[in-house]
Amino acid sequence: GENVGLHLPTLSVQEGDNSIINCAYSNSASDYFIWYKQESGKGPQFIIDIRSNMDKRQGQRVTVLLNKTVKHLSLQIAATQPGDSAVYFCASYNNNDMRFGAGTRLTVKP
Amino acid sequence: GAVVSQHPSRVICKSGTSVKIECRSLDFQATTMFWYRQFPKQSLMLMATSNEGSKATYEQGVEKDKFLINHASLTLSTLTVTSAHPEDSSFYICSAKGTSYGYTFGSGTRLTVV
Repeated sequence: GENVGLHLPTLSVQEGDNSIINCAYSNSASDYFIWYKQESGKGPQFIIDIRSNMDKRQGQRVTVLLNKTVKHLSLQIAATQPGDSAVYFCASYNNNDMRFGAGTRLTVKP
Repeated sequence: GAVVSQHPSRVICKSGTSVKIECRSLDFQATTMFWYRQFPKQSLMLMATSNEGSKATYEQGVEKDKFLINHASLTLSTLTVTSAHPEDSSFYICSAKGTSYGYTFGSGTRLTVV
């Protein structure tokens, strides 16, 4: 599965810069993908989603890119702010089964 | 938007006792709820999938007799950690899936077994 209790990789960016967080998934049958943000001691919060028939979707300051050929998903955050500091997880969904990626801890430096 | 309420947010219990965690969908009906466990600095690990009116489906390695799941209604699922031990201390999170709202997560429960 996509999550096996791995320790989180980290990404540190300067406030105002753009952030790119990457995720690989393993199930080529996955048809729906979601990015979540998790702050310390809280449950994950939905950020943005994308269906497998799309390769890009934009939200407010966030963009998700999907490359099904290499089973790769990325989350781009524009003009990163201190409030964006959190752990970001991707999740893939197939047939009522959702699995999380390992997650990335984003730290925004002022 | 869809809201999932998880209660309690924190609980400390003595070793050997049982603890019940509730997950409620407040403004939608959740045919399926999921229970996750998360250790510090790690990802969420799916424990079980709970379907209303039927038995939960447990992931490999998760003891169904230790982690009892009940999904008696379309808005409530409960996870009971039975005979808790210190190694059960963790952050437990539920999520609920409705027909129109995708997945929504609860705020999590920090369980500490002493």
